[in-house]
Amino acid sequence: GQSLEQPSEVTAVEGAIVQINCTYQTSGFYGLSWYQQHDGGAPTFLSYNGLDGLEETGRFSSFLSRSDSYGYLLLQELQMKDSASYFCAVRDTGSARQLTFGSGTQLTVLP
Amino acid sequence: GAGVSQSPSNKVTEKGKDVELRCDPISGHTALYWYRQSLGQGLEFLIYFQGNSAPDKSGLPSDRFSAERTGGSVSTLTIQRTQQEDSAVYLCASSPGTGDGYTFGSGTRLTVV
Repeated sequence: GQSLEQPSEVTAVEGAIVQINCTYQTSGFYGLSWYQQHDGGAPTFLSYNGLDGLEETGRFSSFLSRSDSYGYLLLQELQMKDSASYFCAVRDTGSARQLTFGSGTQLTVLP
Repeated sequence: GAGVSQSPSNKVTEKGKDVELRCDPISGHTALYWYRQSLGQGLEFLIYFQGNSAPDKSGLPSDRFSAERTGGSVSTLTIQRTQQEDSAVYLCASSPGTGDGYTFGSGTRLTVV
């Protein structure tokens, strides 16, 4: 099976940088994804890492180390609108290849 | 449509009643997933459809839960004899194919009273 661990809450101030870590245990690995979910909203795709290293998309970057079974999401120049829950996810090894999600990290950005 | 559409957005039902939740995926997306999200929790996989293949029902929590996907498009999740523990947000997602990123709908918030 798959399991993921990420912090339940993170708080930071506007303009700061925050890193949300994710460690995982899987019987097979098909990449690490990150999703953002605002209160009452749908999860939306942020990034995907299939190989080791850093992927950058604007203010957001995501990192993966397969040897450490570890990844993180880095948010720079934080804005109030970044307050949301962030989920890391890995693909299941079954035929459905469905995503297994972590429990989510609630990010609160303070003024 | 442009996105994944779910209906109803909210549903309040009495314990023991049956409910049907609908998902209309993005046109052309062959993969469709149902997840359940309890308050403050992560997303729990329920069931997966890929094209005309038999669905993967490995995540369904009990035989009270079932789902169909007609014509490879619209899907209906049915919960029979609802229980209070079924209260959650039910999310549907679609993707172009297996292994691709998901587009989620806004979910159906089910409350069993």
